[in-house]
Amino acid sequence: QKEVEQDPGPLSVPEGAIVSLNCTYSNSAFQYFMWYRQYSRKGPELLMYTYSSGNKEDGRFTAQVDKSSKYISLFIRDSQPSDSATYLCAVNDYKLSFGAGTTVTVRA
Amino acid sequence: DAGITQSPRHKVTETGTPVTLRCHQTENHRYMYWYRQDPGHGLRLIHYSYGVKDTDKGEVSDGYSVSRSKTEDFLLTLESATSSQTSVYFCAISDRGDRVRNTGELFFGEGSRLTVL
Repeated sequence: QKEVEQDPGPLSVPEGAIVSLNCTYSNSAFQYFMWYRQYSRKGPELLMYTYSSGNKEDGRFTAQVDKSSKYISLFIRDSQPSDSATYLCAVNDYKLSFGAGTTVTVRA
Repeated sequence: DAGITQSPRHKVTETGTPVTLRCHQTENHRYMYWYRQDPGHGLRLIHYSYGVKDTDKGEVSDGYSVSRSKTEDFLLTLESATSSQTSVYFCAISDRGDRVRNTGELFFGEGSRLTVL
């Protein structure tokens, strides 16, 4: 069983829409949850991380963790064409494990 | 941007030939990683290094070897390339390592696209 599963997408939304990205994880011991963003033909870069449960906001981005259901989410408000990228969730508990990534296209 | 350079950025080779990918960093980070990225699989760890001459296997290490003779360089070698090794390879570095509970922030290079015919 994979440690983290991610909705593969792809996802295409109009500019200004809310983007919702989701992952589930298998090990309840995970404490750190990350979202990486990867532009086309570039390496991933850390977008946000959350420790334990709850929400974290950074501008238009909100990361959410629900440990009771082992569910992690990333929301992008007022999406822009510059948000078009692949988003990878990741979990860390003595080993970093990545989801497969969801490719998002924001149409102008 | 973190100072990570991967070379070559693109390579086409034939089955059975040896291939070496190089990762060079200017950040003096202790930990270095090689990942491969394939559609539907995301990023999978091939090998990692936690210091000069200290390396260990990741989840998909078969068919790959690595060497780290200097802090700044981490080499990935495919001794005899196969078509299943066609992939995009990413080098990553960190100063804290992912074998401890932390945010696991890695800094990635721009990738090396390898095609094995």
